[in-house]
Amino acid sequence: QSALTQPASLSGSPGQSITISCTGTSSDVGGYNYVSWYQQHPDKAPKLMIYDVTNRPSGVPDRFSGSKSGNTASLTISGLQAEDEADYYCSSYTSSSTLVFGGGTKLTVL
Amino acid sequence: EVQLVESGGGLIQPGGSLRLSCAASGFTVSSTYMSWVRQAPGKGLEWVSVIYSGGSTYYADSVKGRFTISRDNSKNTLYLQMNSLRVEDTAVYYCARDLCSGGTCYYNWGQGTLVTVSS
Repeated sequence: QSALTQPASLSGSPGQSITISCTGTSSDVGGYNYVSWYQQHPDKAPKLMIYDVTNRPSGVPDRFSGSKSGNTASLTISGLQAEDEADYYCSSYTSSSTLVFGGGTKLTVL
Repeated sequence: EVQLVESGGGLIQPGGSLRLSCAASGFTVSSTYMSWVRQAPGKGLEWVSVIYSGGSTYYADSVKGRFTISRDNSKNTLYLQMNSLRVEDTAVYYCARDLCSGGTCYYNWGQGTLVTVSS
């Protein structure tokens, strides 16, 4: 149950687009279309932003989009806004019927 | 409105036991998949355990054999019994409700309860 691999930090300017990667194996990310993305602001509970690789829950702006290729999933945020500054985590279902999270990416909006 | 309220956290010595509770409202705990997720201070999220609507349970390797997830349908409450606690179990523990009907994504989260394992 090794954590999925995410970049530790990323930054972007308002209006720009950024992409956060999430790399796993064929036993998790590559084997199932059950990748989710969460946003977490300091001292807050995580918020689901993307599920089943590409789907957005109601209320999540369409600036947030997800994709997957092989063992790597990606979260793209377009038209970056100040309130997007947060920590982002990916997660995936695994072949052991468990869930595994990525190490998290700290997004800074310059 | 869906609401999850955790309780039961606190300071406990290594080797001790603690039971966390997660009181749910706005939905029926037994009809969905529910998980516990923890976050050590300043660290990332770590999945701990899931209980399926059918009652099956699964655990992270780091807690297997020490933690037990359960629910009380009459109280609409989820539990996490934690035994043989270790310093590395120190974290905020969140309960979460599945959106995806497979235990694969979590839409509703509680506010978290802090467990500190220290002598």
